[in-house]
Parts: sequence; structure tokens; C-alpha cells
Amino acid sequence: DSGVTQTPKHLITATGQRVTLRCSPRSGDLSVYWYQQSLDQGLQFLIQYYNGEERAKGNILERFSAQQFPDLHSELNLSSLELGDSALYFCASSSRLAGGSGELFFGEGSRLTVL
Amino acid sequence: AQSVTQPDIHITVSEGASLELRCNYSYGATPYLFWYVQSPGQGLQLLLKYFSGDTLVQGIKGFEAEFKRSQSSFNLRKPSVHWSDAAEYFCAVDQDTGRRALTFGSGTRLQVQP
Repeated sequence: DSGVTQTPKHLITATGQRVTLRCSPRSGDLSVYWYQQSLDQGLQFLIQYYNGEERAKGNILERFSAQQFPDLHSELNLSSLELGDSALYFCASSSRLAGGSGELFFGEGSRLTVL
Repeated sequence: AQSVTQPDIHITVSEGASLELRCNYSYGATPYLFWYVQSPGQGLQLLLKYFSGDTLVQGIKGFEAEFKRSQSSFNLRKPSVHWSDAAEYFCAVDQDTGRRALTFGSGTRLQVQP
């Protein structure tokens, strides 16, 4: 158990819909990351938040957005869903913003299926 | 742009045999390198990491990896594979030197034969 909690574990929805994925980082971790794992794109970094502020952005679509709340949990919002958004979405947390020997701790993921 | 290549999509080894999973990276500076393992239905677990110093790093579960700058490689090894090692293995590079916005390879799926 990494200590990172993601909900829901599974989600099935239709094209055009909007969903929210939730992540609770490890206790005390200030940094939250979102990754997408799909069959055709592999594992891709989407976005990073540190203590409520966006710090790094990867291949995140404009239809997707994220935020980190004062209690440090994070939400990834996916809107106008397309079939290609079906993927496993991972959240990871770290105690540090950058540098040092800190590692990422990954949750078990939220599997999104868009029909 | 930095990239990570894992040339072997699928590897099958016999239990007790040695294992080497290949990873090549493309990165301008000294990279931060990682190996993660993903078991079915699970998240990713860090096996080991390289930041600097000794080029041979030890990880959990008996794994080790060697950083070779001249070959831009960071291959993962284990002297004797156990059936429980069957999983998917990902090599990753930290694309922003420390921010942990990782670029992952495409993964190598390991099967272990009894």
C-alpha cells in the first residue's frame, strides 16, 4: 500500500460526458502528479501540483483540468469525453517539489472506460 | 526532447534464470533514472533510482541497475528470477531534473516460466 488513494477505481461513462477523478496523497506529501496510461500512448505525465499551485504541465488536453485543494487532495476533471480518453489514470505524490532523492508514490489508478 | 526506449516488449525467462531488461534514454544532461514495476491491477512501485555517484545501484526485491553514460543505458538486472517477478517493468527519466515529471518507456512485460 503506497498510501495514495484514488477514487473511483472504475468508471464507465459515455462520450460527451464529464467525470471527476479524486486523489488523496500520502499523509504530509505536498506534491501531486497525474499520469495517464493508455494502450496507444503508454504512460504520460499530465500535470503536477505543489501545495495548491500548478507547477508542471505535460501532455494534458485542454478538455482536462486539475486542481489541488487546501487539504492537499487533488481532482482531475475530464470533460467532453471521447473514446480515446479511455485509460488508467494514476495519481502519485511526493514530499518534495523538486530535487533530492524523493520518490513518487503511485496510487492504484482509476480506470476510465468511455463508451 | 528526452525519450526512453525499452526495446523488448515481452520477455520470457525460466524461474531461477538471470534477467536483464534494457533501457536506453535520450537526454542532454545527467539524467535522473528510475525503474518501476507494475503488477496486474496495481499501481507502479519504485524498484530503484539513479541520481549520481556509483553507477551500479541496488534496489528492492534483489534488482540492480547499471548506468552507462557512454551507452545512454540503464539496464535492469536480477541474478535469479522468481515467479512473483512476473509483471510489467517501466524505465523512466525525470524530464525536468528533479521535478519527477517522468517520461516513461513503453514497458517490458516479463513472463516467468516454471
